[in-house]
Amino acid sequence: NAGVTQTPKFQVLKTGQSMTLQCAQDMNHEYMSWYRQDPGMGLRLIHYSVGAGITDQGEVPNGYNVSRSTTEDFPLRLLSAAPSQTSVYFCASSPSSGSNEQFFGPGTRLTVL
Amino acid sequence: GENVEQHPSTLSVQEGDSAVIKCTYSDSASNYFPWYKQELGKRPQLIIDIRSNVGEKKDQRIAVTLNKTAKHFSLHITETQPEDSAVYFCAALWANNNDMRFGAGTRLTVKP
Repeated sequence: NAGVTQTPKFQVLKTGQSMTLQCAQDMNHEYMSWYRQDPGMGLRLIHYSVGAGITDQGEVPNGYNVSRSTTEDFPLRLLSAAPSQTSVYFCASSPSSGSNEQFFGPGTRLTVL
Repeated sequence: GENVEQHPSTLSVQEGDSAVIKCTYSDSASNYFPWYKQELGKRPQLIIDIRSNVGEKKDQRIAVTLNKTAKHFSLHITETQPEDSAVYFCAALWANNNDMRFGAGTRLTVKP
């Protein structure tokens, strides 16, 4: 199993550009989530999904959209990138809900100029 | 919403000593408390977790204690080794059961 995979690993955007961060898992996990990690602030939940077709907002959802059309994939879309969205983004999955071990992807380092 | 505070932000110990990291949370209905370790440039990985129906859990050199009345939980690492050096994050699951809130992290350095 590949586990949780993310692409790209690095990305540089200009202010106002849009892009999609990809996340996929091959463990048949129902729960998937997106976090951003900024220095001194830990991990903050952006959006999460408890199954295909179901998504919900986390702690910091503004400026981001998600969709869950399949169990395997959970893409994160930046609608109009801003410098404040410069961060490392982690996707994670767990078998059923948040109350289980979350398996993290390798992360995407995003810089917005 | 849920708020998780973690202390200290940095911790330096001598190899072989113990390390303790403490977290407090605000939502009394929280029922799941994991701890993650993140090495430099790597992804976070679960090292231990505890649910609200127990007060303590141990796995070799690592233990977690939970005080639900006081709404705090702690990570204890005994006989520390240089490879324990990393950033450690506590987290608490918000009452809706799907929203995880993390502490800001503790950078642990174990000096040989």
